[in-house]
Amino acid sequence: ILNVEQSPQSLHVQEGDSTNFTCSFPSSNFYALHWYRWETAKSPEALFVMTLNGDEKKKGRISATLNTKEGYSYLYIKGSQPEDSATYLCASPQGGSEKLVFGKGTKLTVNP
Amino acid sequence: DGGITQSPKYLFRKEGQNVTLSCEQNLNHDAMYWYRQDPGQGLRLIYYSQIVNDFQKGDIAEGYSVSREKKESFPLTVTSAQKNPTAFYLCASSWGEIHPYFTGELFFGEGSRLTVL
Repeated sequence: ILNVEQSPQSLHVQEGDSTNFTCSFPSSNFYALHWYRWETAKSPEALFVMTLNGDEKKKGRISATLNTKEGYSYLYIKGSQPEDSATYLCASPQGGSEKLVFGKGTKLTVNP
Repeated sequence: DGGITQSPKYLFRKEGQNVTLSCEQNLNHDAMYWYRQDPGQGLRLIYYSQIVNDFQKGDIAEGYSVSREKKESFPLTVTSAQKNPTAFYLCASSWGEIHPYFTGELFFGEGSRLTVL
């Protein structure tokens, strides 16, 4: 099974801080990299789906980069707000198959 | 509003009983998935279906069964053969053929929490 790793496992920041976390995946046979935000008691929601090496995507204060050659993606949050508190999941399809493999997630807590 | 509806949100089961978790979508998606979440673990794939009347085992299918008789519905039955069924279950859907190899996102329900007493 494909190994998708996320770090750190959890993160506590103050309101206004910028933060970033990492998703690593095998660089061979790459197709796509997904980022999801999962707030407590809600359903996970897609932030980005990235497919091209060097791609950078942005949604408001959140952005993500992708390096398929070395097998990692960074998620950045600029000026964190309490409403950014959530678990952030990344996922990648297993070698051209119909299975999307998820990392364990990074739990972000933003303190007011 | 389009989306995925899972029911029930909470379910308690006695050992030895089968239970069925419902998942309905009105997004007109071809593909549907069931994932299980346990503390400290990533989402793990139980079963998936790319088309009506067809489904495939995921990584942890033992003790589970599914059906896909309608495009909108993908119920999951947790059987008495599942050794450790207490967990949080998430259903998801996606465009299948339009976005092959997961170049399109998944849409999730809010989940069902199953507790075995």
